[in-house]
Amino acid sequence: DSGVTQTPKHLITATGQRVTLRCSPRSGDLSVYWYQQSLDQGLQFLIQYYNGEERAKGNILERFSAQQFPDLHSELNLSSLELGDSALYFCASSVVQGSHNEQFFGPGTRLTVL
Amino acid sequence: GQSLEQPSEVTAVEGAIVQINCTYQTSGFYGLSWYQQHDGGAPTFLSYNALDGLEETGRFSSFLSRSDSYGYLLLQELQMKDSASYFCAVREVGGQGFSFIFGKGTRLLVKP
Repeated sequence: DSGVTQTPKHLITATGQRVTLRCSPRSGDLSVYWYQQSLDQGLQFLIQYYNGEERAKGNILERFSAQQFPDLHSELNLSSLELGDSALYFCASSVVQGSHNEQFFGPGTRLTVL
Repeated sequence: GQSLEQPSEVTAVEGAIVQINCTYQTSGFYGLSWYQQHDGGAPTFLSYNALDGLEETGRFSSFLSRSDSYGYLLLQELQMKDSASYFCAVREVGGQGFSFIFGKGTRLLVKP
């Protein structure tokens, strides 16, 4: 158990809908990272927040947005969902900003878009 | 553009040694990390190399050569539980700040 929690574990929805994925980082970690993992694309970095502020952006679509709240939990919002958005979405956390020596991953949210 | 190359699949027998290579092409290199992911599980951190040389952690070692843009993960005394996917990853600086790039992963199959 990494100490990072994600809800829900599974999510099934239809095209065109909007969903929110939630992540709580490890106690004391200020940085939160979001990743998308699909079979053909591997692990793709989406976005990173540090202490409530956006700090890095990867291959995140304009239909996707995220935020980190004062209690440090984070939400990833996915809108106008398409079939291709079906994937495993991971949240990770680390103590420092932009840490690359160790990120702790949550169990993931499996999103299925029908 | 940035890229990481690693073999898609490696097979080895229990008790053997296996090396998983990773070559990278990035800008603003900040070190190479390795993660392990079992089927259905989350990635877990294994090692990080910021400087050239070998880092050893138990049965696992990781090597980096910045001049060759190359690194590898060495797994010794292979056990069945080591069957998993292994990802190399780098942090890169780009137009929107830094980003994290992962390789597509190497699936390791350990046979009895």
